[in-house]
Amino acid sequence: QSVLTQPPSVSGAPGQRVTISCTGSSSNIGAGYDVHWYQQLPGTAPKLLIYGNSNRPSGVPDRFSGSKSGTSASLAITGLQAEDEADYYCQSYDSSLSGPNWVFGGGTKLTVL
Amino acid sequence: EVQLVESGGGLVQPGGSLRLSCAASGFTVSSNYMSWVRQAPGKGLEWVSVIYSGGSTYYADSVKGRFTISRDNSKNTLYLQMNSLRAEDTAVYYCARFSSGPYYYYYYMDVWGKGTTVTVSS
Repeated sequence: QSVLTQPPSVSGAPGQRVTISCTGSSSNIGAGYDVHWYQQLPGTAPKLLIYGNSNRPSGVPDRFSGSKSGTSASLAITGLQAEDEADYYCQSYDSSLSGPNWVFGGGTKLTVL
Repeated sequence: EVQLVESGGGLVQPGGSLRLSCAASGFTVSSNYMSWVRQAPGKGLEWVSVIYSGGSTYYADSVKGRFTISRDNSKNTLYLQMNSLRAEDTAVYYCARFSSGPYYYYYYMDVWGKGTTVTVSS
């Protein structure tokens, strides 16, 4: 059971817009900690997609955007392309334990129809 | 080029030990927070351990007391010593570099290795 909750799957047709939610609590996202997103293409390692809630690393298309509000965050992908089919994970920090604790969402599988 | 390359995975019996290595290039391991993240088959990502640039180490509750993270500055390499292995430790283990900045709770993982597979089974 992940600390951050994501929908198991989302889907969309090429060219469409999809969003992936990431819901936390008052000890992580709601405490003001940043949310980051990773893309994991089939059979590969995760890759940083969005950092600091809404910032894109160099090389990430502007079709990908992130936002955060309250205890939740969202990843939006516009102009869906076949190559976007992947698993997406949100990540934040959780202060409920005595030591440092970086936490992930359970992941969302994006299917491009 | 900034790169991380893991090695050391394999098949081990329950109760056994294994040491994973992560060789870094293009940056200095000891100047960064470095982490291990694992992914069980068909499951999501789980943070396992971190070593701070100052040398402090921390672990997820699931591995505390069994795993030890360390580094060799002369080899620019990160390690994960895994003892008392259990079936639930079966996963792909990724080495990752944390971003930098004044507050570690804002950190994210900006460089990842390709992973090494650990299978715990009799």
